[in-house]
Amino acid sequence: NAGVMQNPRHLVRRRGQEARLRCSPMKGHSHVYWYRQLPEEGLKFMVYLQKENIIDESGMPKERFSAEFPKEGPSILRIQQVVRGDSAAYFCASSPPTQTQYFGPGTRLLVL
Amino acid sequence: SQQGEEDPQALSIQEGENATMNCSYKTSINNLQWYRQNSGRGLVHLILIRSNEREKHSGRLRVTLDTSKKSSSLLITASRAADTASYFCATPNDYKLSFGAGTTVTVRA
Repeated sequence: NAGVMQNPRHLVRRRGQEARLRCSPMKGHSHVYWYRQLPEEGLKFMVYLQKENIIDESGMPKERFSAEFPKEGPSILRIQQVVRGDSAAYFCASSPPTQTQYFGPGTRLLVL
Repeated sequence: SQQGEEDPQALSIQEGENATMNCSYKTSINNLQWYRQNSGRGLVHLILIRSNEREKHSGRLRVTLDTSKKSSSLLITASRAADTASYFCATPNDYKLSFGAGTTVTVRA
């Protein structure tokens, strides 16, 4: 049973470009969570999704950020018109309902 | 604001020694979890302690929880170089995990 997969592991973008981060949950997990980690800080919750539904996006900036978890395929976190402050590690976690979250290896985004 | 705060921020010990780090939190919890993050990697779930438990062991890890003081501690016994990592406590608010800034542990050979 493969763990949570994230790709790419590293992503470099210039200011104004789009960043698209992918997360494939563990087999059998229908809940996906995205967290952001700034340097020297802990992870901060961004968004919680179930298949085809956004349950809670209270931690996600209102502009430029969006997330989806389609019926088929991975969950996508999309950042439009990236700025330097978006540089961070973005982690995806998955779980069965109300159980321990298992984290992926993260995508490290660097905005030049 | 962060729910969990780890202390100390950084810890350097000799291989074979024990490492203790603490976590304080603000609101009532159902459980508290500890995670490890190796440099540049993802988080690995170490242990979960429920609010009605006072102590829990897993291999060389010992976790305590004092709900009256809203604090938890993680003890790593007989440390190894491979224990070098950052350690985070996390408290769930429904499905959201709130993490502290972590304790960075360096184990010297």
